[in-house]
Parts: sequence; structure tokens; C-alpha cells
Amino acid sequence: AQSVTQPDIHITVSEGASLELRCNYSYGATPYLFWYVQSPGQGLQLLLKYFSGDTLVQGIKGFEAEFKRSQSSFNLRKPSVHWSDAAEYFCAVAQTGANNLFFGTGTRLTVIP
Amino acid sequence: ETGVTQSPTHLIKTRGQQVTLRCSSQSGHNTVSWYQQALGQGPQFIFQYYREEENGRGNFPPRFSGLQFPNYSSELNVNALELDDSALYLCASSPRGGGLTYEQYFGPGTRLTVT
Repeated sequence: AQSVTQPDIHITVSEGASLELRCNYSYGATPYLFWYVQSPGQGLQLLLKYFSGDTLVQGIKGFEAEFKRSQSSFNLRKPSVHWSDAAEYFCAVAQTGANNLFFGTGTRLTVIP
Repeated sequence: ETGVTQSPTHLIKTRGQQVTLRCSSQSGHNTVSWYQQALGQGPQFIFQYYREEENGRGNFPPRFSGLQFPNYSSELNVNALELDDSALYLCASSPRGGGLTYEQYFGPGTRLTVT
């Protein structure tokens, strides 16, 4: 069965510092992987996706993620965090048999001045 | 290009009642999925509609049902509401075809409170 693990429930970083949010997945084949961001009380916004090809994918708002098959990971990174990046971040894997996304439990990002 | 819209924004219902939530898909998208997001959790898949038929379902009881209309908009109906149904209900639309099916774009959600 597919699963997504986001080991960090809450991360605090200083504005301007670099950021890495971890995501590990369990899936039998090459997965479709996604990162979404959710601001308080809002829906989810797609940051980036990996379907195939180049394992380093660029997204919106200066985010990037790297797919590492050997580690079953798809970590999200940003070189310099802005206060507006404070939000909840969700990693998701596509369940191709059921046509849906399976989400991790999320990582809450706090940005301090 | 109009994004995914949902109505109402907030809703308060009493246990045992029925509720209908509505979703309009993004222009050009013919597939609609519904998710339930409990407080502090990630979204959980309820079901997906394509060509007005259910096209995949998560681990939710039959009292969760849906419809899709010819213009691709959709409704989520929940009967016999329970306290645990209190959550943010998210609608997502996507184009159909290969991996694009999974590139889902979410609406702002409907916050349902059951008392």
C-alpha cells in the first residue's frame, strides 16, 4: 500500500535562512509526486510536481524538490525563506489505481524575523 | 481562467442532518475529486467523478455520495451527519489524461461543523 511520511510536524526557521522539508514515500513503481502549500483557512496550492525525467524539479515561489529513488524521498527546498512562506506544507503521491492523491500529515512552517 | 470555486464557505449542521456542498471545476478540467481534511490532518480522498460517474472511491461510507453535472461541476452529499464529519471539505479539479489526472487544483474548501 502506498504511504507518505513527513517526519517533521513543525519546523521553525529564520527569515532568509534555507529550508528543507522532508518527504518519504512507499510505492511499488515510479510515483507521481507533489508538494502543496496551505495557508491558514485556505485550500491547497500546487507548488511543484514530479512525473518523470529530471529528478530536480522547480516550482513556484522559488521552491524546488529532488526525487531520490534510492532513498524513496522527495524533499522540498528553498534557499532563502520569506515570512510569507509560513504555512502548512503537504507532500502527496498519486495512487494510480484509484485516481487520487495520497497525502502526508503535513509540516507546519513558522518563519521568525 | 477561473479557478476552482466552492460553496458555501462555512456551514453549521446538527447531527443527523443532511448537507450538500458544491464545486465548480477550473475551466478546461473535466475531472473532480473530493477530499476531507480533519483538523491537523492531511486531506483524505473521498471520491472522484469523471464523465458524470464515480471513478474511484476512498474509505468512506455510502452516506457520502456525489454527483457530477454536464458542465463538470459537482456536489458532495453527506447524509446522517456525525460529529466526526466536522472538517474542511476540499474539491479539486484536473484535466484527464495520464499523469495530468493527478495534477489536481484545489478550491478554498467548505468548513463544515456538526454540532
